Amino acid sequence: GQNIDQPTEMTATEGAIVQINCTYQTSGFNGLFWYQQHAGEAPTFLSYNVLDGLEEKGRFSSFLSRSKGYSYLLLKELQMKDSASYLCAVKSNDYKLSFGAGTTVTVRA
Amino acid sequence: DVKVTQSSRYLVKRTGEKVFLECVQDMDHENMFWYRQDPGLGLRLIYFSYDVKMKEKGDIPEGYSVSREKKERFSLILESASTNQTSMYLCAGGAGGKSSYEQYFGPGTRLTVT
Repeated sequence: GQNIDQPTEMTATEGAIVQINCTYQTSGFNGLFWYQQHAGEAPTFLSYNVLDGLEEKGRFSSFLSRSKGYSYLLLKELQMKDSASYLCAVKSNDYKLSFGAGTTVTVRA
Repeated sequence: DVKVTQSSRYLVKRTGEKVFLECVQDMDHENMFWYRQDPGLGLRLIYFSYDVKMKEKGDIPEGYSVSREKKERFSLILESASTNQTSMYLCAGGAGGKSSYEQYFGPGTRLTVT
């Protein structure tokens, strides 16, 4: 089976940095994904890690440690529009993504 | 601009009805997926298809079936809707092959079974 854990909620101030952690135990590993989902909307792709290390994409960075079964998504210079749910997902084989329950981030002025 | 469309944003059905949820993608992608999303549980995979007329069970296939007669269309069928199938249903498409990764999601169908 698949087990993917991430915090339920986080709150941060505009301009600050927030780090969302994700730990996983899966039967296979072909990469880890982060998706963003605004309320009432479809998830949209943010990042993909398949090798250990940090991937940076503008204000967002994602880190992976395969040996520890751990990833984090780092959101810098937070903006109000970053208030959303952030979904961690592991690709366990050629096709399937297994998702965590999501972390709701609230950005306060 | 890639697009995945779903036939309805909101749907209300009665217990025991047969329900069809339609999904169409314009990306010429081999893979298509149906998920349901519930608070506190995240997205759970119901069924997926990696080619026309091919289907595979996901993590929670009970009470559902699917149909993929054409590459661009993937239908989810609730043979006899029950109240525990009230949920948000999300369809996604993705390119085939081991190197593929990103899935593109449709806007979702919020189904209520009364």
